[in-house]
Amino acid sequence: GAGVSQTPSNKVTEKGKYVELRCDPISGHTALYWYRQSLGQGPEFLIYFQGTGAADDSGLPNDRFFAVRPEGSVSTLKIQRTERGDSAMYLCASSLGGQHDTQYFGPGTRLTVL
Amino acid sequence: QKEVEQNSGPLSVPEGAIASLNCTYSDRVSQSFFWYRQYSGKSPELIMSIYSNGDKEDGRFTAQLNKASQYVSLLIRDSQPSDSATYLCAKSGGSYIPTFGRGTSLIVHP
Repeated sequence: GAGVSQTPSNKVTEKGKYVELRCDPISGHTALYWYRQSLGQGPEFLIYFQGTGAADDSGLPNDRFFAVRPEGSVSTLKIQRTERGDSAMYLCASSLGGQHDTQYFGPGTRLTVL
Repeated sequence: QKEVEQNSGPLSVPEGAIASLNCTYSDRVSQSFFWYRQYSGKSPELIMSIYSNGDKEDGRFTAQLNKASQYVSLLIRDSQPSDSATYLCAKSGGSYIPTFGRGTSLIVHP
C-alpha cells in the first residue's frame, strides 16, 4: 500500500512569510508525529497526534509553530513569521498507535528560509 | 549530557567485516530502543527494535541491550557497501515519543 506522503518536497520562502507543510499518513494509522531534522542531527520531536487531538505538543519550539489534524488523517504543520533558523527537513511519521508500533516516516519536506 | 549519545563517526569498515555501532543513554526509565537507518537525503527507516536485556537477531543485524549500563548497540555482519548510511539510535520511555541520537555515519568500502 501507499506509504506516508508529504508535500511539498521542497519549500523555499522568505523570512517573515507563512508556510504550511502537509502530511498524509498511512491509511488506518491513528498516530501521527512531526519531527524536524537539521543537518548532522537526529530527528527532533515536535508534536504527536492520536486521532484528531494533539496528545503531546511539548516539542513545538514556540508559538509560531502550530499543527492540526482535523479529521484524524491528513495533518498540516503551520509556521508563521518564518525565520532563517526554521530551515530544516520536516519529517512526518505515522504508526498504528501502540507504544511499540513501528513508525513509518515520509520523505520529508525540505524548508529553506531565505 | 544529551539523552542519547552516539559517536558521529564516520565508522569505516571493509566489505564483509562486522560493523559495531554503539549508543548510550542517560536515564533508567526508557523501555524501548530502536535503530534506524537513514540514507543521505532520505528519511529514517526502522531496522531493529529491542525492549529486553540481551541480544536480538534479525538477519545480518543484531541489537544488544544492557539497561544496567544504559547501553545499546547494533552489529552488522558481512557488511555491504549498500549498508553505508547514517544509523540513528532512539529510545522511548512511558510516552510514545522516541528521542533520537545524532546518528553514526557508516562507510563500508569495497
